Amino acid sequence: GAVVSQHPSWVICKSGTSVKIECRSLDFQATTMFWYRQFPKQSLMLMATSNEGSKATYEQGVEKDKFLINHASLTLSTLTVTSAHPEDSSFYICSARDLEGGSYEQYFGPGTRLTVT
Amino acid sequence: KNQVEQSPQSLIILEGKNCTLQCNYTVSPFSNLRWYKQDTGRGPVSLTIMTFSENTKSNGRYTATLDADTKQSSLHITASQLSDSASYICVVSVRGGYQKVTFGIGTKLQVIP
Repeated sequence: GAVVSQHPSWVICKSGTSVKIECRSLDFQATTMFWYRQFPKQSLMLMATSNEGSKATYEQGVEKDKFLINHASLTLSTLTVTSAHPEDSSFYICSARDLEGGSYEQYFGPGTRLTVT
Repeated sequence: KNQVEQSPQSLIILEGKNCTLQCNYTVSPFSNLRWYKQDTGRGPVSLTIMTFSENTKSNGRYTATLDADTKQSSLHITASQLSDSASYICVVSVRGGYQKVTFGIGTKLQVIP
């Protein structure tokens, strides 16, 4: 099946610094990628939808200037958490949609655990 | 408002036993329903995907059912194994260009020896 990778798998950073998380579709092209955040014991919350070659669409309440998303190619999207604060500590998961055959299947990455100290 | 509700929130069963997880949704217009397994600290992995016309789908020991009329789905796990311990998430997609999805909060299953 299709594979989505994320890097890094975990990161610890100091408050005020920026962190970049990469999401790659390894064996398929993804015109659309999604970024989610998951707090402990809660469901995944969609942060933004990333379309290749265009600006991301952010969900209500998500600061686009704080969570910068770049989808420069059909296999790579990046999420940059700028000026991170402890409340940004969370599990960030990306997913990519494989449109081949019109299945609209979404494949999730393994997630990135961000801890801001 | 599109919602997906799952029950029970948590479940503990003995290894080898069967169990059934429930998902009720109010998402409209309906496109498809997926069940995912999420191990702690990992991303979700797809188990089954069903469209409007499908009412059952199997993947090994996992069998999902869908009643589009009552907007209910279930995930049945047969002969549970310790490795089945995880959160099981029901995800419903809206029909349309972006296939917007609504996630259930999940059922946390623990299989004990």
